[in-house]
Amino acid sequence: QVQLVESGGGVVQPGRSLRISCAASGFTFTSYDMHWVRQAPGKGLEWVTVISYDGITKYYADSVKGRFTISRDNSKNTLSLLMNGLQREDTALYYCAREVTGKWYFDWGQGTLVTVSS
Amino acid sequence: SALTQPASVSGSPGQSITISCTGTSSHVGISNLVSWYQQHPGKAPKLVIHEGTKRPSGVSDRFSGSKSDNTASLTISGLQAEDEADYYCCSFTGTTAWVFGGGTKVTVL
Repeated sequence: QVQLVESGGGVVQPGRSLRISCAASGFTFTSYDMHWVRQAPGKGLEWVTVISYDGITKYYADSVKGRFTISRDNSKNTLSLLMNGLQREDTALYYCAREVTGKWYFDWGQGTLVTVSS
Repeated sequence: SALTQPASVSGSPGQSITISCTGTSSHVGISNLVSWYQQHPGKAPKLVIHEGTKRPSGVSDRFSGSKSDNTASLTISGLQAEDEADYYCCSFTGTTAWVFGGGTKVTVL
């Protein structure tokens, strides 16, 4: 059974940094591309970033490019997102998601809340 | 959003409703790239349709997907109270990114 458990969210001041993580279990982590998707309070879903199964290829939404960095540790089945220069608009519930290869859909975690506020 | 959905759709119990998702030929135009998610308040999204028309095991057969040109659609037949939720379409853009629709709030009258 696929399990994705996010952690590390919290309240952070504008301009500061925060790293959130996702612990994966129940599947072969090294075989799947992984994503972060966020949802601002009361708003819709927004795709943020993806990392390939081997950690080599990474893509970002324009809204976070240059500020956020996705990474993974395949030895620990862990996905991370380092968020620098946080802005109030980055306040959201951040979901870790597994891309099901060839099927073009996501399996989801429960999310971790990041609040950017002074 | 690069994918356009109506903000809201409503229907009475037992009726059928359809939610549209309009994109471009590079993603929605390729139907097997489109997935649909149901999201109840305070919950994570749940997959209801993938590859445009395929329904995961455990999802009611009242949910169906279709496509015409650059518009994908989700139809809920025999509308039930439990179907009241937000619904999002999603697609790989065919290049380097993924995109979601703005979401549609379904209300059961």
